[in-house]
Amino acid sequence: NAGVTQTPKFRILKIGQSMTLQCAQDMNHNYMYWYRQDPGMGLKLIYYSVGAGITDKGEVPNGYNVSRSTTEDFPLRLELAAPSQTSVYFCASSYSVGSTDTQYFGPGTRLTVL
Amino acid sequence: GQQLNQSPQSMFIQEGEDVSMNCTSSSIFNTWLWYKQDPGEGPVLLIALYKAGELTSNGRLTAQFGITRKDSFLNISASIPSDVGIYFCAGLSYGGATNKLIFGTGTLLAVQP
Repeated sequence: NAGVTQTPKFRILKIGQSMTLQCAQDMNHNYMYWYRQDPGMGLKLIYYSVGAGITDKGEVPNGYNVSRSTTEDFPLRLELAAPSQTSVYFCASSYSVGSTDTQYFGPGTRLTVL
Repeated sequence: GQQLNQSPQSMFIQEGEDVSMNCTSSSIFNTWLWYKQDPGEGPVLLIALYKAGELTSNGRLTAQFGITRKDSFLNISASIPSDVGIYFCAGLSYGGATNKLIFGTGTLLAVQP
């Protein structure tokens, strides 16, 4: 298994540009998550999905959109990039909800908005 | 947004020393997790704690789930250079359809050979 994969690894955007961060998992996990990590901070939840066709907002959803057309993929879309969205973005997945569940993280996408 | 208070923020130690870090919260969590993040990588789960009072070891790592369910600590014994990284605690609360992880602010560990 490749686990959770993310592309691209790095990206520089100009203010107002748009882009899609890709995330895929091959573990047949139902749940997928997008986090952002700002310098010196922990991860904050942007959006999550409990299954194909179902998404919901996390703690910091403004400026982002997601879709979940398949179990494997969970892309994150930035429509109008702003400097405040400069961050490292992590995708994660888990099999189910519950106390014994574990979230597995991808390697991250480092995004800079200038 | 809600975050866990994690301390210390950073530690600079000599190889062979023991390390201790902890997390506290104003909220009760059902599960406590400890992750390690290497530079340029995503967090990797080290230890998961599921019951109040639980003490769990994973090699040189030992973690405990506080009795009040509002705190947890992680100890690393006999540190080695590859222990370098950022350690995050995370509290897991679940209700409804999903489990939401709340992360601490991280402890940067540097180990000098």
